[in-house]
Amino acid sequence: GNSVTQMEGPVTLSEEAFLTINCTYTATGYPSLFWYVQYPGEGLQLLLKATKADDKGSNKGFEATYRKETTSFHLEKGSVQVSDSAVYFCALRGGGADGLTFGKGTHLIIQP
Amino acid sequence: DSGVTQTPKHLITATGQRVTLRCSPRSGDLSVYWYQQSLDQGLQFLIQYYNGEERAKGNILERFSAQQFPDLHSELNLSSLELGDSALYFCASSAGTGRSYEQYFGPGTRLTVT
Repeated sequence: GNSVTQMEGPVTLSEEAFLTINCTYTATGYPSLFWYVQYPGEGLQLLLKATKADDKGSNKGFEATYRKETTSFHLEKGSVQVSDSAVYFCALRGGGADGLTFGKGTHLIIQP
Repeated sequence: DSGVTQTPKHLITATGQRVTLRCSPRSGDLSVYWYQQSLDQGLQFLIQYYNGEERAKGNILERFSAQQFPDLHSELNLSSLELGDSALYFCASSAGTGRSYEQYFGPGTRLTVT
């Protein structure tokens, strides 16, 4: 079946630091890959997506590249802000399942 | 604001009871999904409807059922509730069913079973 593995954290960084949150996946076929963000007390917001190998999704300074050879979709940002503090979920869809399969989420804390 | 609405925001009930959660998708979206978020299981896909028809099932218990109405809103029915059913229940919607369609999530309903 499908599965997503990501570091759970918490990951604590200082403002303006470089961010990487690792995500690897297992899936049959060719899934689409997503990053969602959840702020405290809120629902999930789509951050970015990629639908085929070597696609790069980007939004609000965040980027992730679909790497089929390493089955990875790592999230990066060059300079984080306090407002980026949230829980980040890597997810996939496809390979025979119509729902999203999520990782366990990475809690990111940015200190001023 | 994603455009997906869910009611109620909070629900507290007792074991053995039955509750109904409601979801209205984004305008124009035909597909509705239900997810459960709990501390021990994380985010799990429960069920999907597309234009009124059940499309896919995930880890949905037999005590749970859902439907999508002609106006495209959806309801998730949870019966014979147990303490372990306490969780956040999210609804999401998308324009279509293909793997590349983005799913937009509502704010969730927090269910507490006492």
